[in-house]
Amino acid sequence: IAGITQAPTSQILAAGRRMTLRCTQDMRHNAMYWYRQDLGLGLRLIHYSNTAGTTGKGEVPDGYSVSRANTDDFPLTLASAVPSQTSVYFCASSRLAGEVYEQFFGPGTRLTVL
Amino acid sequence: GQNIDQPTEMTATEGAIVQINCTYQTSGFNGLFWYQQHAGEAPTFLSYNVLDGLEEKGRFSSFLSRSKGYSYLLLKELQMKDSASYLCAPLNSNYQLIWGAGTKLIIKP
Repeated sequence: IAGITQAPTSQILAAGRRMTLRCTQDMRHNAMYWYRQDLGLGLRLIHYSNTAGTTGKGEVPDGYSVSRANTDDFPLTLASAVPSQTSVYFCASSRLAGEVYEQFFGPGTRLTVL
Repeated sequence: GQNIDQPTEMTATEGAIVQINCTYQTSGFNGLFWYQQHAGEAPTFLSYNVLDGLEEKGRFSSFLSRSKGYSYLLLKELQMKDSASYLCAPLNSNYQLIWGAGTKLIIKP
C-alpha cells in the first residue's frame, strides 16, 4: 500500500451500536488526525495524535475515542453511535506535529447512523 | 474566535481565469493552505503560503496578505477537471488547520 487507507469505505449502522473506523498509513508519519466532514461545514477535527502513544482532543471529540498503539494505525471508535454522527470521516497524516507539513488524507469512510 | 469565510459556490467558463477569495481569523497564524477536493474524494494539497505575496505553481497561484487576513487562489486556463471544491485552511498557533467550508467551483464549457 502507499499512503493512507481507511476501512470500511461505507457503513450503515443502527443507533446504539459500537463501531471502529480503521486507518493505516505507510509513510512513517508521526502525526495523525481524524476529521468529520458535513455538508456546508468545513472539516472538523475530532482527535489527533502527535506521535505513537499520545492522543489529543480536537474540536468535536464527544462520542469518539482513539488510540495510537503504533506509528501506522489510528483507529476511531464510536462507543454508542447516534444519528448526528452520520458524516464522512477522513483520516489524515503529516510528517511531524508542531511544524508546517502538508496533511495527506485517506479516501474517507461514509457512515450513516439510523 | 476562529473563522474562515469563502464563497459557497462559483461558476466559470472553460479556458477562463477565476479567483477564489478567503478571509480568516485564527488564534495565531503559521501560514495558510489551499486544498482541492473533487466530489466524493479526499482533499489533496495545492499550495502553502506563509509570507505575504504571490506563490505561483503552474496554472494555480495563491496570494496571502497577513495584515488583512486574506488569501486568494487564482486558477488560470480553466479545464473541466478543475470542477471541484477548494478549501482554505489557515494554520493556527497550535499548528492545527482550521478549515473553511470550501468553495464549489463549477466549470462550464
